[in-house]
Order: sequence, then C-alpha cells, then structure tokens
Amino acid sequence: ETGVTQSPTHLIKTRGQQVTLRCSSQSGHNTVSWYQQALGQGPQFIFQYYREEENGRGNFPPRFSGLQFPNYSSELNVNALELDDSALYLCASSVKQGRDEKLFFGSGTQLSVL
Amino acid sequence: SQQGEEDPQALSIQEGENATMNCSYKTSINNLQWYRQNSGRGLVHLILIRSNEREKHSGRLRVTLDTSKKSSSLLITASRAADTASYFCATESGGYNKLIFGAGTRLAVHP
Repeated sequence: ETGVTQSPTHLIKTRGQQVTLRCSSQSGHNTVSWYQQALGQGPQFIFQYYREEENGRGNFPPRFSGLQFPNYSSELNVNALELDDSALYLCASSVKQGRDEKLFFGSGTQLSVL
Repeated sequence: SQQGEEDPQALSIQEGENATMNCSYKTSINNLQWYRQNSGRGLVHLILIRSNEREKHSGRLRVTLDTSKKSSSLLITASRAADTASYFCATESGGYNKLIFGAGTRLAVHP
C-alpha cells in the first residue's frame, strides 16, 4: 500500500455541477500532485501543491482548483463540470529520497459526468 | 500533451517469456520513471533512471536509457500472470516533480 487514500472511489455528477475530490497523504509528504487519466490514456498533470501553495500547473482551465491542508490532506475542486471531465482522478504525494523524488499514488476517484 | 510514447500499445505473452516495452520522449529530461497500473487503479512506482545513467536493474526489471535517441526500454524477465497490467513511462524535466506520462503499454501474461 502507498499510504495515500482517496475518496470517494466513484462519483456520478451531471453537467454543470461542481465536485470536490479528497486525498489524504502520508505524514511528512509535503507535496501533493493531482492527475487526470482519461480512459485508455496516461495520467495528465493538473497541478501540484507544496506547503499549501500551488507549485505548478498543467494545461487545465481555472475551473480546476485545489487546496492543501496542514494535516497532509488535499482537495481537488472542479466547477461547471463538462462531459469531458469524466476520468479517473489520481492524487500522488511525494517525498525526496536523496536526489530523487518518488510519487506515491492513491487508487483514484472515478468521476462520471452525465 | 503527452511526451512519452510507449510501444507497443499492447503486448500478449506466455508465462515465463520476457516482455520488452519501449518509450520515446521529446525533450531533455532529469529522469525517467516507469510505473505500473492494475486495471484502473493507482499507479505503482517501479524504477527511476537518471539522465546520466544508461542501465538499471531491480529484481526482474531492467531499464535502459538512451538520451541521444530520447528513448528507454523496460524489460521484464521470466514474466508471471501477476505481471498483467498497464505500464507507463514518465519523464520529469521541470524544477518540480511534474511527471509527463505516455499512453502506456497494456501487458497480458497468459498462464
């Protein structure tokens, strides 16, 4: 097990709604990243948070936003849901091991937008 | 956009055979990592190879990196049915650990 937990595991929403996905990282992992994985594709980087501040963003619109809390939990919020937002959303926490930084992924939240 | 492109997209082999997956990427990298994903679950880190390394081993895994060709390969020796999964390469090139994944190779190992 990676020690990273995500909730809920599955979620169904309708177009235009808002959704909040949650992630709990391992203690001491002060960096969390969120990825979107469409069916049959590799994960795509959404953004990363380090010490509760956004530390980099991929090619996603502002309706994708996040929060990171001091207790190593984090949230991904998506407003005005679109059909194309249907995907597996993965969070990953990381810690430096020497020069390398290794990601620990949660099992994901499968979001379906109808 | 996805930087890493895996080849083949799908691979079907018998238990005991070796499985080789290839990955190509476009820009200069700090390191290249391989991850495994079982059927729509989270990804598990397998191995990391730095840009100044050419080959790395971990158990039944062997990874090579050719920065001049911007390519990497993952070899799984003596495959088992439990190796059935999707395998992704991911490159890290920014100042923070933003990984860019390929589309993956779906490996099926038949008993």
